[in-house]
Amino acid sequence: GAVVSQHPSRVICKSGTSVKIECRSLDFQATTMFWYRQFPKQSLMLMATSNEGSKATYEQGVEKDKFLINHASLTLSTLTVTSAHPEDSSFYICSARDRVLAGTDTQYFGPGTRLTVL
Amino acid sequence: GENVEQHPSTLSVQEGDSAVIKCTYSDSASNYFPWYKQELGKRPQLIIDIRSNVGEKKDQRIAVTLNKTAKHFSLHITETQPEDSAVYFCAAFFWGGGNKLTFGTGTQLKVEL
Repeated sequence: GAVVSQHPSRVICKSGTSVKIECRSLDFQATTMFWYRQFPKQSLMLMATSNEGSKATYEQGVEKDKFLINHASLTLSTLTVTSAHPEDSSFYICSARDRVLAGTDTQYFGPGTRLTVL
Repeated sequence: GENVEQHPSTLSVQEGDSAVIKCTYSDSASNYFPWYKQELGKRPQLIIDIRSNVGEKKDQRIAVTLNKTAKHFSLHITETQPEDSAVYFCAAFFWGGGNKLTFGTGTQLKVEL
């Protein structure tokens, strides 16, 4: 089946630093990738939708200059949390839609990245 | 935009009993409704889904029903087992509109021995 990986799985950083999270589709090409944030005991909140070769579409309330998204290839999207602060600590999950199944609604989720900002 | 409400937020059942989780959605154009199971610290796993042209779907102990008129859908788990304990999320998707999943608030299911 379709596999999505994320790296790193856990990261701890100091306040003010930037952190990059990678999301890869391992056995399929993803034209669209999604980035979610999940706080403890809460639901998944969509942050942005990223299409290969174009700018990401951010959800209302998500700062595009703080959460930089790059989707430079059909198998890789990156999320960079710039100038991270403790309130950015969260579980970040990506998902991807298969290019071959582009006309469908199926999304495959990555394992998530636990970010802790000290 | 789409809004999905989910109830209950917590559900405790005895092993072997059934569990039912309900969701309502606001956008009548939504046409795909997946259910996810998420264990602590892990990715959401798709367990079953239903599309708007179907009223019910079953996969072994899991079933989902959809009432388009009332804009609600439900997850039914029969013969619950301890390994069913997890957080369950419903979601709604509108293909041709936002093309994105909107998740419910989640239900913490605990199956007690």
